[in-house]
Amino acid sequence: AQSVTQPDIHITVSEGASLELRCNYSYGATPYLFWYVQSPGQGLQLLLKYFSGDTLVQGIKGFEAEFKRSQSSFNLRKPSVHWSDAAEYFCAAGNTGGFKTIFGAGTRLFVKA
Amino acid sequence: EAGVAQSPRYKIIEKRQSVAFWCNPISGHATLYWYQQILGQGPKLLIQFQNNGVVDDSQLPKDRFSAERLKGVDSTLKIQPAKLEDSAVYLCASSLAQTSGGSYNEQFFGPGTRLTVL
Repeated sequence: AQSVTQPDIHITVSEGASLELRCNYSYGATPYLFWYVQSPGQGLQLLLKYFSGDTLVQGIKGFEAEFKRSQSSFNLRKPSVHWSDAAEYFCAAGNTGGFKTIFGAGTRLFVKA
Repeated sequence: EAGVAQSPRYKIIEKRQSVAFWCNPISGHATLYWYQQILGQGPKLLIQFQNNGVVDDSQLPKDRFSAERLKGVDSTLKIQPAKLEDSAVYLCASSLAQTSGGSYNEQFFGPGTRLTVL
């Protein structure tokens, strides 16, 4: 069955520290992969996406993600976290044409001063 | 450019009552999605429209949920009668037209409607 797993329900990092959020997928063929961010009371905003090609993808707000086919993973990283990055982050997988996008359960990021 | 609009933002009802949510997508976006996001979970697709036709409603509980997009623009999602487990945030998203085998077009999300069923 198709699934997206985010193993960490919540993560706390200090401001200025590096961040890595984990995502594993099970989707048959290599899907399109996405990371979204959701701030309280807001809709989801796309941070970055992977379709094919270079496995290291750059996104907005200084985020990047690396696709590793052998590990079925698509982890999100940021070298230095800012307090404004505190939010919920969702990994998602979809297929050609944008159908049946599946979201993980999310990881809530807390940033401490 | 105006984003996806949803109303109301919050709704509290008692079980067995009915409720409706409205969504106005970004102008020119042919594809519209309704998602249900239960607390602690990721969004789950309920229904996907292409213009005024349904592309996917496989996860829509059709005994109580209905959705329409009569003129291919605005959409309404209705629940009748509501159950306690329907408490969730209902997200609407839109994108340029999606076609099977075609390129992926980014989905833009509205702020959602938070439904509480008592």
